[in-house]
Amino acid sequence: AQKVTQAQTEISVVEKEDVTLDCVYETRDTTYYLFWYKQPPSGELVFLIRRNSFDEQNEISGRYSWNFQKSTSSFNFTITASQVVDSAVYFCALSERNSGYSTLTFGKGTMLLVSP
Amino acid sequence: EAQVTQNPRYLITVTGKKLTVTCSQNMNHEYMSWYRQDPGLGLRQIYYSMNVEVTDKGDVPEGYKVSRKEKRNFPLILESPSPNQTSLYFCASSLSQRAGGKDTQYFGPGTRLTVL
Repeated sequence: AQKVTQAQTEISVVEKEDVTLDCVYETRDTTYYLFWYKQPPSGELVFLIRRNSFDEQNEISGRYSWNFQKSTSSFNFTITASQVVDSAVYFCALSERNSGYSTLTFGKGTMLLVSP
Repeated sequence: EAQVTQNPRYLITVTGKKLTVTCSQNMNHEYMSWYRQDPGLGLRQIYYSMNVEVTDKGDVPEGYKVSRKEKRNFPLILESPSPNQTSLYFCASSLSQRAGGKDTQYFGPGTRLTVL
């Protein structure tokens, strides 16, 4: 069984603050993939990043960075110098092999509110 | 432009009136899937399709039907909608789900369904 936990239901910050969204996962597989998606108020789901279980190198993309730690089964997402446009629900997801195909399991999401 | 499209985007209907939500992708993806999103429950998979004429149940298939007669289309059918099917529905596609889950799923814009 796989499980993704996003313990923070809602986070409120003021613009320019840094914020970290936590994601903890459970899996018995040695090969798996982790994803982050963003859902802005308009409702669509936007893919942000994919990370495989063999690559623990941290990734940075502009103001976004991701910290993958296999030892703690975590894949945390940090936004530096947050902006109002970052306000959205963020989902962490886990994909692992299951009898020859894979399923994607989502966490319940963290709502980020960035106020001016 | 590579994309997943869904129609309609918004739908209000009444209990028992059959409806179909269409989904189409132009990326030649093998894998397609339907999810529903509900407050507090996150995204849950309804049905998925590994390829043409191959479909299978996800976590919450009751009350839904799907078909995959062509690679690009994956309609979701509600034969007799009920109020508990009021939700936000997403269609997604990926290149394949046989490669251990490495392929990213891209989502359509969502269909907000209300069943009265």
